[in-house]
Amino acid sequence: SYELTQPPSVSVSPGQTARITCSGDALPKQYAYWYQQKPGQAPLLVISKDSERPSGIPERFSGSSSGTTVTLTISGVQAEDEADYYCQSADSSGTYNVFGGGTKLTVL
Amino acid sequence: QVQLQQWGAGLLKPSETLSLTCAVYGGSFSGYYWSWIRQPPGKGLQWIGEINHGGSTNYNPSLKSRVTISVDTSKNQFSLKLSSVTAADTSVYYCARFTEAYGMDVWGQGTTVTVSS
Repeated sequence: SYELTQPPSVSVSPGQTARITCSGDALPKQYAYWYQQKPGQAPLLVISKDSERPSGIPERFSGSSSGTTVTLTISGVQAEDEADYYCQSADSSGTYNVFGGGTKLTVL
Repeated sequence: QVQLQQWGAGLLKPSETLSLTCAVYGGSFSGYYWSWIRQPPGKGLQWIGEINHGGSTNYNPSLKSRVTISVDTSKNQFSLKLSSVTAADTSVYYCARFTEAYGMDVWGQGTTVTVSS
């Protein structure tokens, strides 16, 4: 079955830049999406179609894609950005969706 | 704006069938895929499956043999059934709206389902 691979954890100090990667063989063919989840809350979409930022999401959130890896970048990290982040995409045929294992972002 | 409200039984015994429903308020029901996602305690998100307003479905291959997702367009609702549940199915279950253009941009509040004898 298709898998998306994320690092389990990323740590940064406030004001620094956090980069969270997501790797998968089908990513050159399928869009990726990023979600932020805080404890006890439903996930929140922060990036769609690799790099588009939904309305209401701060400009410090951006996304990029290169080959089989997509990256979520948070510039000027704030304490409120501490959360779990998940990438989501589809298998190569577009038949089913998959989530990455999630990355816990810690703001030191 | 669009809101999803979900409900269903929160405590099941092993071998029973999980049943959840999600209602769509304040927006169009057509043109989207309506999805179910779950999250075991302390773990990551798992996509279960999706359905569109016409009834076309896609399922996670690992759950396909036990999952049925259906739609009631007259009520703007869609439902999840998961048969033969075990303790491993204990999770928070979410419904969500998906499009390729916007991703899963609207989510339900989540329903905690516990499977225990």
